[in-house]
Amino acid sequence: KNEVEQSPQNLTAQEGEFITINCSYSVGISALHWLQQHPGGGIVSLFMLSSGKKKHGRLIATINIQEKHSSLHITASHPRDSAVYICAVRSPNFGNEKLTFGTGTRLTIIP
Amino acid sequence: DTGVSQNPRHKITKRGQNVTFRCDPISEHNRLYWYRQTLGQGPEFLTYFQNEAQLEKSRLLSDRFSAERPKGSFSTLEIQRTEQGDSAMYLCASSLSLYGYTFGSGTRLTVV
Repeated sequence: KNEVEQSPQNLTAQEGEFITINCSYSVGISALHWLQQHPGGGIVSLFMLSSGKKKHGRLIATINIQEKHSSLHITASHPRDSAVYICAVRSPNFGNEKLTFGTGTRLTIIP
Repeated sequence: DTGVSQNPRHKITKRGQNVTFRCDPISEHNRLYWYRQTLGQGPEFLTYFQNEAQLEKSRLLSDRFSAERPKGSFSTLEIQRTEQGDSAMYLCASSLSLYGYTFGSGTRLTVV
């Protein structure tokens, strides 16, 4: 079992829909990251969370430390949001330096 | 600040050849990380440096792999005697503290 699990693996939605991507983890963490990866391969950091909620434009990330769960929401989705969204955690169990990644959620927004 | 730069972007090599990748981190970042990502998977940790010291290596980093960061600035990752299983995206990231991460665009290696 992976320490970081994401759902769904693939998500297709119509433009304008509200999107939710989930991340569950099984270890104690010091921080959780949400990342975006486009087909070219480069990764962009969207959020880093250790508690609560963060918002940036149409993106919202929440975390529940007790339940070991985080969600990434996209409001008013747009085709340019199509990408792979990856959850990653930094944990003292793994030395606290490196990130342990989920396998990603491939999001496709249809115009 | 031009972000984290990785070169080359793509590399195709024959099995058995040696390859070397370069990562130039953000200049004031003291931490530098290498990850490997195979198709359909999330990245996996390979190694990390704090300044010029290599502080941790994954067991994924076999003895054919070596990484250096000679002056605490750029880093190189060398793979000797490449195998088809080495085909992957090699990602570099840097940070100044434990909590900020900036990734490069990656080097995609194809071993034929």
